[in-house]
Amino acid sequence: ETGVTQTPRHLVMGMTNKKSLKCEQHLGHNAMYWYKQSAKKPLELMFVYNFKEQTENNSVPSRFSPECPNSSHLFLHLHTLQPEDSALYLCASRTGLAGGQVGELFFGEGSRLTVL
Amino acid sequence: GIQVEQSPPDLILQEGANSTLRCNFSDSVNNLQWFHQNPWGQLINLFYIPSGTKQNGRLSATTVATERYSLLYISSSQTTDSGVYFCAVGRNTGKLIFGQGTTLQVKP
Repeated sequence: ETGVTQTPRHLVMGMTNKKSLKCEQHLGHNAMYWYKQSAKKPLELMFVYNFKEQTENNSVPSRFSPECPNSSHLFLHLHTLQPEDSALYLCASRTGLAGGQVGELFFGEGSRLTVL
Repeated sequence: GIQVEQSPPDLILQEGANSTLRCNFSDSVNNLQWFHQNPWGQLINLFYIPSGTKQNGRLSATTVATERYSLLYISSSQTTDSGVYFCAVGRNTGKLIFGQGTTLQVKP
């Protein structure tokens, strides 16, 4: 238990479906992240939110839409995905960047997505 | 951007053996973490070590920031140590860049 909870743990969806991944952290952190891990590839940073503001969008296709309503919750809305989007999606959080201090990153258990 | 290179890419050990995993990075960093990814995909924090040396049980890590590398030592390896070990680095931007990982298999 890292203090970062992701749901659902497994998701199978068709290319025309709309679904959402949810991430919640109980660590009092202010920065939250989405990473993507495809088979046999390193983790790729997708989005960063710092104090609820998006500070990084790593050229992610618009079929992935993040939402950060508060510092404890992060969503990834999925629509019209492709089979190649099948991957493990990992959420992470850390202390915020105020004052230039960067803390340790903690990950959730991941949501394994399969697009048919 | 910063490049992170881990070696070796794959490692097979007999239970009880020791090993050293290496992480080289291409630019100065002030954040470095080592993770172990278990077979279910969970990334487990091993060390937060932008510089210096730390030890936790059978594991220890050393980062020489001026020479842009970090080492992870695993002593008396156990089958439960199997999995992928990732090094990740970053600066004060908040981005953490991951290496390709070292896949470790410990045989009984």
